[in-house]
Amino acid sequence: GPKVLQIPSHQIIDMGQMVTLNCDPVSNHLYFYWYKQILGQQMEFLVNFYNGKVMEKSKLFKDQFSVERPDGSYFTLKIQPTALEDSAVYFCASSTGLGDQNTLYFGAGTRLSVL
Amino acid sequence: GDSVTQTEGQVALSEEDFLTIHCNYSASGYPALFWYVQYPGEGPQFLFRASRDKEKGSSRGFEATYDKGTTSFHLRKASVQESDSAVYYCALGDSNSGTYQRFGTGTKLQVVP
Repeated sequence: GPKVLQIPSHQIIDMGQMVTLNCDPVSNHLYFYWYKQILGQQMEFLVNFYNGKVMEKSKLFKDQFSVERPDGSYFTLKIQPTALEDSAVYFCASSTGLGDQNTLYFGAGTRLSVL
Repeated sequence: GDSVTQTEGQVALSEEDFLTIHCNYSASGYPALFWYVQYPGEGPQFLFRASRDKEKGSSRGFEATYDKGTTSFHLRKASVQESDSAVYYCALGDSNSGTYQRFGTGTKLQVVP
């Protein structure tokens, strides 16, 4: 089936540094998402993105977070600066239509460890 | 706001047992309801969805029926196999924003031969 690729699978970083998580969504999908999952807890919506803009963001999407997809390349989540509480698995997803009605296709996740 | 509740954190069964994983939701109107399955080292994969009262979704022997009266979408399978061992997530389309899905806490199913 359709695949979403996330690079890297694991990132270790010192607190205060910048990190960029990369996502290669399904090729014909138009809507993109980031979810955050702290170990043992539920997957929480962070942000979604369509036509070059953020559509919706949750309260977890702090000012230090940003997303972009320049010229159809990777859909990225940047955290600058990182904090200890940013340690989690970040899942990227994509869909053909709006996410409340359409199937989300997820990547395998990037495990971010902030030391 | 909208929410999804999965009451079982873990379920342990033997092969050929009957499976029920409970999912209840809180939302206005008729949100789309989904089940996803996540295998170790992978992201969640779509199982099926339903969007109307009494609609049944099904895939790979799993099924669930949208019940507006009890605000439930319980996952069932008549006879589980070891290969069904995974984490199962119930999700609903957020009715406020209309742009993303909210996920339950997940239920880890372990099936022993």
